[in-house]
Amino acid sequence: GENVEQHPSTLSVQEGDSAVIKCTYSDSASNYFPWYKQELGKGPQLIIDIRSNVGEKKDQRIAVTLNKTAKHFSLHITETQPEDSAVYFCAASGPGGSYIPTFGRGTSLIVHP
Amino acid sequence: GAVVSQHPSWVICKSGTSVKIECRSLDFQATTMFWYRQFPKQSLMLMATSNEGSKATYEQGVEKDKFLINHASLTLSTLTVTSAHPEDSSFYICSARSLGQGPYEQYFGPGTRLTVT
Repeated sequence: GENVEQHPSTLSVQEGDSAVIKCTYSDSASNYFPWYKQELGKGPQLIIDIRSNVGEKKDQRIAVTLNKTAKHFSLHITETQPEDSAVYFCAASGPGGSYIPTFGRGTSLIVHP
Repeated sequence: GAVVSQHPSWVICKSGTSVKIECRSLDFQATTMFWYRQFPKQSLMLMATSNEGSKATYEQGVEKDKFLINHASLTLSTLTVTSAHPEDSSFYICSARSLGQGPYEQYFGPGTRLTVT
């Protein structure tokens, strides 16, 4: 089955800095890679996703890059703000797993004002 | 669009009783719903997948007689924790996806905090 590794587990940055979270996956058939933001006591919220036919996707301060050859993808947040503080999960899914996503272990992002 | 609700948002029950959690897709028809369990500072653990009108498929290690899942309509799935014990205390989250949206996007509910005393 699919295995997703996520690093770092904790990331502490100053407001205005950039934050990068990296994930690797094992199943080369995986073709959909969403990122979720989970605030304390709430359910995960989809913030951006990328499919395997593109290498990069951007939405305002958030971007995701995908390297299919190396089987890794990354979340980039620029100009971080305190409200970006949350736990971020990456996931991978594809036909091999009936499109049921496999989640990374999560990254706790702390943005210091 | 793509809103998923859960009810209740939190519940406290006594050991030995049963608790039902509802998951609804508010603005789309959910052909597939998922139930997750999450312990503090941990990732989401998939418990079961349910397709409307079919029996749920449980992940290995999840007791199907303890965690009863019903997906009777395209907008409602329920999780019943039977004979709850303190170790069942956790954050339960549902998610839903629509076949019409393709097999990709999955939308999560806000979660239900269960505390068993």
